[in-house]
Amino acid sequence: AQKVTQAQTEISVVEKEDVTLDCVYETRDTTYYLFWYKQPPSGELVFLIRRNSFDEQNEISGRYSWNFQKSTSSFNFTITASQVVDSAVYFCALLRNNNDMRFGAGTRLTVKP
Amino acid sequence: DGGITQSPKYLFRKEGQNVTLSCEQNLNHDAMYWYRQDPGQGLRLIYYSQIVNDFQKGDIAEGYSVSREKKESFPLTVTSAQKNPTAFYLCATSRGGLNYGYTFGSGTRLTVV
Repeated sequence: AQKVTQAQTEISVVEKEDVTLDCVYETRDTTYYLFWYKQPPSGELVFLIRRNSFDEQNEISGRYSWNFQKSTSSFNFTITASQVVDSAVYFCALLRNNNDMRFGAGTRLTVKP
Repeated sequence: DGGITQSPKYLFRKEGQNVTLSCEQNLNHDAMYWYRQDPGQGLRLIYYSQIVNDFQKGDIAEGYSVSREKKESFPLTVTSAQKNPTAFYLCATSRGGLNYGYTFGSGTRLTVV
């Protein structure tokens, strides 16, 4: 079965704190892609990152970083020095083939000033 | 600029009425998708289409219908058979292939009263 679990339903932090959003996935496929999307209050999903199953290198983009570990089937997302504009719902997703992108339930992040 | 247009942004309908949600894209992407989003449940796939005049059911197709007469358009009809239609509906497109991921529209919030 293909499944994505985001155990954290809601997280609240104060501005400038670091925060990590967890994502655990299940798949029997050897080739797949993992994604993180941000959903601001306006509703559209904004692409943040894509990682294929053969590339376990961690990635950093400004205040964002991602840690992919196949051994634990996890693809966690860290925001360093959080800002109010980071407040949104964040989704982790698994793309197994072109027709089957599975989403986690999402984590609502609130960053307070 | 290329993108996906979903209209209207907000839609109200009386119970028992069919309603059609529009999704138009000018990205020249072959594949199009409809997702439903409910609080705390992430995104669930309703229907998808990889080419014109062809579409497939997703996980929650009951009570919905689609058509794909043109590459640019993939309208979703929520029929009176859908027992709980109030939700946020997102349309997505894909160029095809695992490594491209999906591009999302801004969504339509449907409320049935």
